Amino acid sequence: EAGVAQSPRYKIIEKRQSVAFWCNPISGHATLYWYQQILGQGPKLLIQFQNNGVVDDSQLPKDRFSAERLKGVDSTLKIQPAKLEDSAVYLCASSTNPGDTEAFFGQGTRLTVV
Amino acid sequence: AQSVTQLGSHVSVSEGALVLLRCNYSSSVPPYLFWYVQYPNQGLQLLLKYTSAATLVKGINGFEAEFKKSETSFHLTKPSAHMSDAAEYFCAVRISGGYNKLIFGAGTRLAVHP
Repeated sequence: EAGVAQSPRYKIIEKRQSVAFWCNPISGHATLYWYQQILGQGPKLLIQFQNNGVVDDSQLPKDRFSAERLKGVDSTLKIQPAKLEDSAVYLCASSTNPGDTEAFFGQGTRLTVV
Repeated sequence: AQSVTQLGSHVSVSEGALVLLRCNYSSSVPPYLFWYVQYPNQGLQLLLKYTSAATLVKGINGFEAEFKKSETSFHLTKPSAHMSDAAEYFCAVRISGGYNKLIFGAGTRLAVHP
């Protein structure tokens, strides 16, 4: 079974530029999560999708971050414009359904904003 | 509000020694608790989970954790450390009644020296 795929693995951009990350969850997984992991901290949930609908985006900085999950499969997370403090690893995870107790994580995208 | 606190951001042990990583949780309802491991430049991998069944939970790679309600703890242990155990370990609590939202601790980096 293929795992959660993310791309790119690494990205360096200048502040005020825009960037997009892509995630393809495990086939059949209805629930998809985007986490932000700042160096030295635990992952923080940015947004959670159930199929193609958002169920939690309470910690997503909506003035600059956006995410979509068209057709309920893969997802894109965008930052525009980026700030220095957005430097982090962005992790995508998926699970079969909200009641599932295990989420499977991708390798993440390491973003550096200079 | 549910949360987890990991005591000690860095733990260093000798190969063959006991590994003890501490996690305390705060929850007003019976929690689901998890330990994840993150190797360098990798995503998070589930080590074990507590879902209100047995209080002593065995996971992969020889790790286990014991749920102690009286102490609100879920410490991770391994009797004998191996060099390959060097990684970052995250304790997490699931917010019940919601959409399987995971709240992570800040993480503990485990170093294993010869």
